[in-house]
Amino acid sequence: DVKVTQSSRYLVKRTGEKVFLECVQDMDHENMFWYRQDPGLGLRLIYFSYDVKMKEKGDIPEGYSVSREKKERFSLILESASTNQTSMYLCASSIRGGANSPLHFGNGTRLTVT
Amino acid sequence: QKEVEQNSGPLSVPEGAIASLNCTYSDRGSQSFFWYRQYSGKSPELIMFIYSNGDKEDGRFTAQLNKASQYVSLLIRDSQPSDSATYLCAVNLDRGSTLGRLYFGRGTQLTVWP
Repeated sequence: DVKVTQSSRYLVKRTGEKVFLECVQDMDHENMFWYRQDPGLGLRLIYFSYDVKMKEKGDIPEGYSVSREKKERFSLILESASTNQTSMYLCASSIRGGANSPLHFGNGTRLTVT
Repeated sequence: QKEVEQNSGPLSVPEGAIASLNCTYSDRGSQSFFWYRQYSGKSPELIMFIYSNGDKEDGRFTAQLNKASQYVSLLIRDSQPSDSATYLCAVNLDRGSTLGRLYFGRGTQLTVWP
């Protein structure tokens, strides 16, 4: 079974802090994704990566950056946290080569910025 | 504009009934379609995928795909209260891409009452 692990389930940070959200997958997947989920807005893609050191912007990359130094780890960075970044953050991974590859999600990190 | 649309509901059915969830998508060339279930406060979990026109059955779940009309549906037979959740439709809209990005609808909230 694919396991995608997000380092924190709940996180509370202050405005202006630099925040790191970590995600690790154990199935040697090439693709990794960061989404945020807000009521009424659904899942919105922030960034994704299809290989080590590669990254692609999703639909809402502003205020975020990512790092993929190792294949199994994909980090989301909030450079200067703001209250409008309070959200549920979901990491996912999938096999490359796939139009037919489903995403496997981590348990999510609920971030509150005060 | 790449879009996946779902009726947000809520959809409410009695226990034992058939629940029908629908999804339309913007790109006629899309090849792969996924249904995820998300319980409140949890992350999405894959329940079905379909690639070819027609029906695909898995236990009480049936996915139906009509590429010409650009819709995919999920039928849940003999609905149970434990099926109460939000159901997310996801489509690979990037024709020819192997990057594996999925586009998500906003989800349909289903309630099954005893």
